[in-house]
Amino acid sequence: IQLTQSPSFLSASVGDRVTITCRASQAFSNYLAWYQQKPGRAPKLLIYAASTLQSGVPSRFSGSGSWTEFTLTISSLQPDDYATYYCQQLNTYPYSFGQGTKLEIK
Amino acid sequence: QVQLQESGPGLVKPSETLSLTCSVSGSSIRSGYFWGWIRQPPGKGLEWIGNIYYSGSTYYNPSLMSRVTISVDTPKNLFSLKLSSVTAADTAVYYCASAISNSAALDYWGQGTLVTVSS
Repeated sequence: IQLTQSPSFLSASVGDRVTITCRASQAFSNYLAWYQQKPGRAPKLLIYAASTLQSGVPSRFSGSGSWTEFTLTISSLQPDDYATYYCQQLNTYPYSFGQGTKLEIK
Repeated sequence: QVQLQESGPGLVKPSETLSLTCSVSGSSIRSGYFWGWIRQPPGKGLEWIGNIYYSGSTYYNPSLMSRVTISVDTPKNLFSLKLSSVTAADTAVYYCASAISNSAALDYWGQGTLVTVSS
């Protein structure tokens, strides 16, 4: 399953509402995860099963979607949120990642 | 607290075999859903390499399948990656990760280790 994220680059201001989309080449129900990665660091799990918030992750992050379109939303962007975000499908082998969305300060 | 730590050579010669281990602490390797390896070439995105289940079942990225082996060492509570016939294109940060709490995500990651392929 190929995952395509849009946009690949996003410039936004603190306080903005931001949405990142992950589109799949084949439909699947909800084994979709979102990760945040900062430079020089390992990815950090934010959302699993498309919409379940990982323990300890701020509630401004949310996920939704199913079948071929999934979204990650940050309701009010904070300075700590500037990073690269990846989606990953764990529904069908081979597992795959999206190409990433780099979120930059406007 | 679950922790994963990669270890292995940081420099591998072309055509040789890359070997990394991932030591697991804070959890038994018997208790997770699966354990896996992911890599990230410098300045690029994440690439899934493969997973192993405690049962020993393995699943690999088709693009690497002919060269990759993932195994588990239960007594030592670690799992390993071997990638043969490496080229410069295999230069990357290699991460080990696990699905411990559920099978729908990689919830624990190692810090990553840079492996450079060069003579």
